[in-house]
Amino acid sequence: DAGVIQSPRHEVTEMGQEVTLRCKPISGHDYLFWYRQTMMRGLELLIYFNNNVPIDDSGMPEDRFSAKMPNASFSTLKIQPSEPRDSAVYFCASSLAGGTSSYEQYFGPGTRLTVT
Amino acid sequence: RKEVEQDPGPFNVPEGATVAFNCTYSNSASQSFFWYRQDCRKEPKLLMSVYSSGNEDGRFTAQLNRASQYISLLIRDSKLSDSATYLCAVKDFTTSGTYKYIFGTGTRLKVLA
Repeated sequence: DAGVIQSPRHEVTEMGQEVTLRCKPISGHDYLFWYRQTMMRGLELLIYFNNNVPIDDSGMPEDRFSAKMPNASFSTLKIQPSEPRDSAVYFCASSLAGGTSSYEQYFGPGTRLTVT
Repeated sequence: RKEVEQDPGPFNVPEGATVAFNCTYSNSASQSFFWYRQDCRKEPKLLMSVYSSGNEDGRFTAQLNRASQYISLLIRDSKLSDSATYLCAVKDFTTSGTYKYIFGTGTRLKVLA
């Protein structure tokens, strides 16, 4: 299995521009999570999907952030307009449901976003 | 209080030393627990799950204390290659019938030659 795939791996953009991050989860996984990681705040959960349906977006910083999952194999995180404080590493992760099982998450390699 | 808390470190230890990290969680109903390892500029990768009875994987031992709501990771005979950030994660079930993971901010370990 190729694991979780994210693109682009690096993105440098100017303030005010739209940024779209992409994620392909592991085939068969029914949960998809978007995280943001910074030195100051650590790994923050932004939003997660179950069977392509957004479940909890309470971690999305503000209306400039939006996420979609049109099908089981693709998700996007969009920032419009971008601001310098959005600079961070954005990770996508996927996992299987499993009741009380200890199924773990698998992370993609991340997208390192720099907004100047 | 944060949902999952860790001492950020860094823990600087000599090769061969034993080092232990703790992680506290606030939700007494949390179901599953994990330790992840994250190398610099890489994604977190699962190190081990934490079982109620405690579990060991080579030089690594994980334990869960539900009464005090913490998990621990013990590394014996530490190697230079153990230098990384160690993140604890808690799997919580939600009122919507789904689940999510909450991560600590990580504990940074440096093993010195």
